Amino acid sequence: QQQVKQSPQSLIVQKGGISIINCAYENTAFDYFPWYQQFPGKGPALLIAIRPDVSEKKEGRFTISFNKSAKQFSLHIMDSQPGDSATYFCARSDSSYKLIFGSGTRLLVRP
Amino acid sequence: EAQVTQNPRYLITVTGKKLTVTCSQNMNHEYMSWYRQDPGLGLRQIYYSMNVEVTDKGDVPEGYKVSRKEKRNFPLILESPSPNQTSLYFCASSRRTGGNEAFFGQGTRLTVV
Repeated sequence: QQQVKQSPQSLIVQKGGISIINCAYENTAFDYFPWYQQFPGKGPALLIAIRPDVSEKKEGRFTISFNKSAKQFSLHIMDSQPGDSATYFCARSDSSYKLIFGSGTRLLVRP
Repeated sequence: EAQVTQNPRYLITVTGKKLTVTCSQNMNHEYMSWYRQDPGLGLRQIYYSMNVEVTDKGDVPEGYKVSRKEKRNFPLILESPSPNQTSLYFCASSRRTGGNEAFFGQGTRLTVV
């Protein structure tokens, strides 16, 4: 099974700091790399996604950086806020509809 | 409001007692799937369905069954639950083209004793 390796497992950041979560994948035959955000007691929800024909995508304080040669992609949360405290999952999919998720990163932003 | 609805939200049952977790979506999505979420393992796909009457195994299908008789509904069936099926379960739906947003339900926390 093609996997997505996500790190770190948990992350603590001070308010206003930068949160960085990294993911690595094994095969380049994927065309969609989303990040999902999950708050306690809720289902995951799409946060931001990127396709491999671009190296970076920014939406507000959230940025995905994609390094095709290194088979890595990362999520950067600028000016992290306590409301960003959640579990984040990276994922990948190809031309099928299946999403393969990373193991998740629990982010805590301290006030 | 576009949503995926799962029921029940919480369930405690005993080993071997058949149970069904329901899932319904109102977005006319073709693709539906079930995941289980376990600490340190992320979300793993159990079963998926590309359309009515079309279902297939995901990565961890053992001990589970599904059916897709209507487009909007995709129930998950545990014929004989065991304690290793204690987990948090999510149903999701999306349009049937790659690279589309998956919409998740609120989750069902199942405990098998």
